[in-house]
Amino acid sequence: DQQVKQNSPSLSVQEGRISILNCDYTNSMFDYFLWYKKYPAEGPTFLISISSIKDKNEDGRFTVFLNKSAKHLSLHIVPSQPGDSAVYFCAAYNFNKFYFGSGTKLNVKP
Amino acid sequence: EAGVAQSPRYKIIEKRQSVAFWCNPISGHATLYWYQQILGQGPKLLIQFQNNGVVDDSQLPKDRFSAERLKGVDSTLKIQPAKLEDSAVYLCASSTGTGGPLDGYTFGSGTRLTVV
Repeated sequence: DQQVKQNSPSLSVQEGRISILNCDYTNSMFDYFLWYKKYPAEGPTFLISISSIKDKNEDGRFTVFLNKSAKHLSLHIVPSQPGDSAVYFCAAYNFNKFYFGSGTKLNVKP
Repeated sequence: EAGVAQSPRYKIIEKRQSVAFWCNPISGHATLYWYQQILGQGPKLLIQFQNNGVVDDSQLPKDRFSAERLKGVDSTLKIQPAKLEDSAVYLCASSTGTGGPLDGYTFGSGTRLTVV
């Protein structure tokens, strides 16, 4: 029962352009949504979050958008940098539990 | 601040053998989690501890997996006997508070287990 889905396993973007990573969920009761970034041989690290009562949260080059009616969220990275190349996991939270998507591998080409 | 420490980094065992993983959370973090991440999938929660008590172990295959957190600090996860499908990265994470979404959730680097 996969409640959080990331349908794009990989994404390739040119340096300086926008990267858009997408995530869909099925449970309308989720309280928070988070994005994690993972480099090879390291654990995931927290990147940005958004409460279910908001539709946008911005932190520097990273912006997360939440569309509750569509049960969809996206992470925008502008401008993309080669150091952003990593696997990005979407996660949803409710009742003291996190549910993770399968990840999208972002490659930012110099 | 030191991160979440896990060992070993890699482990290769034959099926039906046993294996144990160790996790040392960030000092002061009350909540500790073990996740299983199979290749191509997101992390899946196996067990959550609050101090040394189990909060959620609903997805832990209890016939072969066991975990403990003695004294509410370090934790070990054991698999006995291992199956081929247990090949995965085992991630430990810890957080402050009761594990809310903004409670300083931090992952370790994981242990990559290969069962042959």
